[in-house]
Amino acid sequence: GAGVSQSPRYKVAKRGQDVALRCDPISGHVSLFWYQQALGQGPEFLTYFQNEAQLDKSGLPSDRFFAERPEGSVSTLKIQRTQQEDSAVYLCASSLLGRAVTNEKLFFGSGTQLSVL
Amino acid sequence: KQEVTQIPAALSVPEGENLVLNCSFTDSAIYNLQWFRQDPGKGLTSLLLIQSSQREQTSGRLNASLDKSSGRSTLYIAASQPGDSATYLCAVSPNNNAGNMLTFGGGTRLMVKP
Repeated sequence: GAGVSQSPRYKVAKRGQDVALRCDPISGHVSLFWYQQALGQGPEFLTYFQNEAQLDKSGLPSDRFFAERPEGSVSTLKIQRTQQEDSAVYLCASSLLGRAVTNEKLFFGSGTQLSVL
Repeated sequence: KQEVTQIPAALSVPEGENLVLNCSFTDSAIYNLQWFRQDPGKGLTSLLLIQSSQREQTSGRLNASLDKSSGRSTLYIAASQPGDSATYLCAVSPNNNAGNMLTFGGGTRLMVKP
């Protein structure tokens, strides 16, 4: 596709419900990142994939958060037993190369806005 | 732990003014610094990327400078226009093989009035 696509655009969940957020990166992009952006704040790093390998998940807030990218393209961020503090915009980003240290451009999707009631 | 701070948090200016947005970071061991623009309900668009060995980058009416030793960067916007209204975020990339695992500031919300 032309850009990074995320779905759904908005998600309302009741507290305790499980949710799954989808990210379609730009075709051929090796690296994929998930960020969490609380209202009025800058994005915070959650996790990073290089192809299908999850190389860093140090930013995941708790073991209720799980991310996967089984075929090295589409990624899903799953949140189990959602809580109100999980309410945020979840941003996905991709970049072309898989080099660990890089000056290449990062392309962001429009995000999924999650509201937990 | 790296911390990135942006001042001011919000700024409102009349059209045509030149303005400066500030970004500071606590750990000078960075690989690069980027400035992004975020429009309401949208993702982030990369504006400028400054490598740690560089002092500044320019794109059109935008100029970003970097003083790594003092942990500061500025984004200069010349002749501001209403279309420049957005949130501007700076982010640093760590110098430890972490590539695009960025640490962001809280952003500056800019409103340019016609």
